[in-house]
Parts: sequence; C-alpha cells; structure tokens
Amino acid sequence: AQTVTQSQPEMSVQEAETVTLSCTYDTSESDYYLFWYKQPPSRQMILVIRQEAYKQQNATENRFSVNFQKAAKSFSLKISDSQLGDAAMYFCAYRSAYFGNEKLTFGTGTRLTIIP
Amino acid sequence: DAGVIQSPRHEVTEMGQEVTLRCKPISGHDYLFWYRQTMMRGLELLIYFNNNVPIDDSGMPEDRFSAKMPNASFSTLKIQPSEPRDSAVYFCASSPRGRGRTPSTIYFGEGSWLTVV
Repeated sequence: AQTVTQSQPEMSVQEAETVTLSCTYDTSESDYYLFWYKQPPSRQMILVIRQEAYKQQNATENRFSVNFQKAAKSFSLKISDSQLGDAAMYFCAYRSAYFGNEKLTFGTGTRLTIIP
Repeated sequence: DAGVIQSPRHEVTEMGQEVTLRCKPISGHDYLFWYRQTMMRGLELLIYFNNNVPIDDSGMPEDRFSAKMPNASFSTLKIQPSEPRDSAVYFCASSPRGRGRTPSTIYFGEGSWLTVV
C-alpha cells in the first residue's frame, strides 16, 4: 500500500515571500501521479498542481512549482510571492496509474498561514 | 463545463435517521469517488467506481453505509441508520481516463457537510 507523509502540520510565511511545503511518499510502483490540493476554509478541494512520475521535468503553475525527486520519493511544493489568498490547508496526494488501484491517497496536510 | 455537483450542501439530522447524499460527476468521466473528511481521520476513501462498477469499497465503515451508481451521471451514498460519529464532510469526486488506460486528475465537488445530532 502507498503512504504519503507531510511532516509539517503548520507553516507560516510573510506575504510576498517564498515558502516550501514538504511531502514524501512510499510506493513500489513505477508509474503514478502526484498532486497538491489546496483546501481553504470553505473546505473545497482545489487542484494546485500535478506531476506525472514518468516526466522528469518539474511541474509549474504560475507562482506554484514542485521539486520532484523520484529516487528520493520526495515531492515538495514551492509557493513564490505568497499572497493572502494562499492561506489554506495543503494536501499532498498520490495516485497509482495502475488499474484497480486508482484511488487518491492523501497526506495529513499542512496548514499555511500568510502573515501580512 | 459544470464541475462535480453534490447535494445537499449541508444537512443536519437526528441520530437514527436515513441520510442520502447525491452526486453528479463531470460528464464523460469514467471514475467516481466518495471521500469522507474528519478531524480525527483526515481524508479517507470510502468507495470508488469505474464505469459505474464498484472497484474498491474497503473504506466503507460498516453495513450502515451503502453506495450506488445506477448510471454514468449519478451516484448516491446512503447512511442508515445515521450516528453522531458519521458527522463529517463527504466529498464526491470524478476523474477522466488519462493516457492509455491510466487515470488522470481527480476533481472534487464542494462537499456535503453532515451533522448527526
């Protein structure tokens, strides 16, 4: 079974600064997807960024980028130029690419606070 | 395109009552998931379907929970009888098929907030 670990329950960052959220995972599979989801107080789960394991290039979406280290099974999220609207819970998630195991496995989340 | 649509958004019910949560996935998506979120247990998968067929229901807590997907555009999660420990946010999510037969990104509904008193 796959596991996802987020070792930082809470993080804070000054507005306009950069912050990195950590995530590690454990799997014996070679083909999978990794995601970061954002959950604001409304509880809606919003996709932030996605990485496919077979792609070596790190994914980027505007101010959000990842550092994907497949051998180390590490998948960190970097948020640049932090904004007040970035305050939320952030969940790292793993999804197998193999039929019959396509569920999302989530980490426990990191609560990000933005300091004005 | 409309996203995943869940109803009701909020429900307060008394212990022992039947609760039915409804979900309309994104059109064309092959996969449908039901997740539950609580403070104690975080986000946990209850069940998921592929082409309307249940694939993994190992997360369904007990016989009080049941889920159906009678067609590609509708699913229900039923709790009967409900108990206070069932209070949670229930998410429905759907996903298209990705490259080849592999899956792709999962999109979530806004959630159904259930309170059992």
